[in-house]
Amino acid sequence: DTGVSQDPRHKITKRGQNVTFRCDPISEHNRLYWYRQTLGQGPEFLTYFQNEAQLEKSRLLSDRFSAERPKGSFSTLEIQRTEQGDSAMYLCASSTRTSGSLRQYFGPGTRLTVT
Amino acid sequence: SQQGEEDPQALSIQEGENATMNCSYKTSINNLQWYRQNSGRGLVHLILIRSNEREKHSGRLRVTLDTSKKSSSLLITASRAADTASYFCATDARYNTDKLIFGTGTRLQVFP
Repeated sequence: DTGVSQDPRHKITKRGQNVTFRCDPISEHNRLYWYRQTLGQGPEFLTYFQNEAQLEKSRLLSDRFSAERPKGSFSTLEIQRTEQGDSAMYLCASSTRTSGSLRQYFGPGTRLTVT
Repeated sequence: SQQGEEDPQALSIQEGENATMNCSYKTSINNLQWYRQNSGRGLVHLILIRSNEREKHSGRLRVTLDTSKKSSSLLITASRAADTASYFCATDARYNTDKLIFGTGTRLQVFP
């Protein structure tokens, strides 16, 4: 299967701990996106990469959040000093620009629970 | 922040009936997409309609777009229990096509 994969699928952590999530995009896709989705809401954009360059960050991405895509392939999203409000589903997506359209391919998500 | 809202928030129908969901958005767009999300899972792309298109079909799906009203609708014909999911519209921003802005979603329940 060559879809977008995310690891772990579920993470339970205590408040104040650091967590790191990984996303492996579809191999030929140069764009990678992170979204956050809370219960009953649609996904909200966090940040995106074109190759290894981080091109945009949402205001939602506080200083405790950092994302990297060091070799333009997989990406990591780290949350430092987690808070209960960080509990959400973290979704990764990838795409390749084709004729100006931006269909995105989503991974299964990482569900974070902060206790 | 969300781009817009979807209506209704929840919809329950019997198998075989049609389901219609509406989406409104706020800013000018290049295209609008619909995605489906099964409970607790990732999103699956259903269909994309460009701003210069008014209607598009894909199997049992029919999407319309009215850019003057900044609204779109998704029609699922002859629904099946397997169509039970949340449905989201997503738009780009006309001058920034590099991210998607999602609506709040419609939760569809199809009873067998």
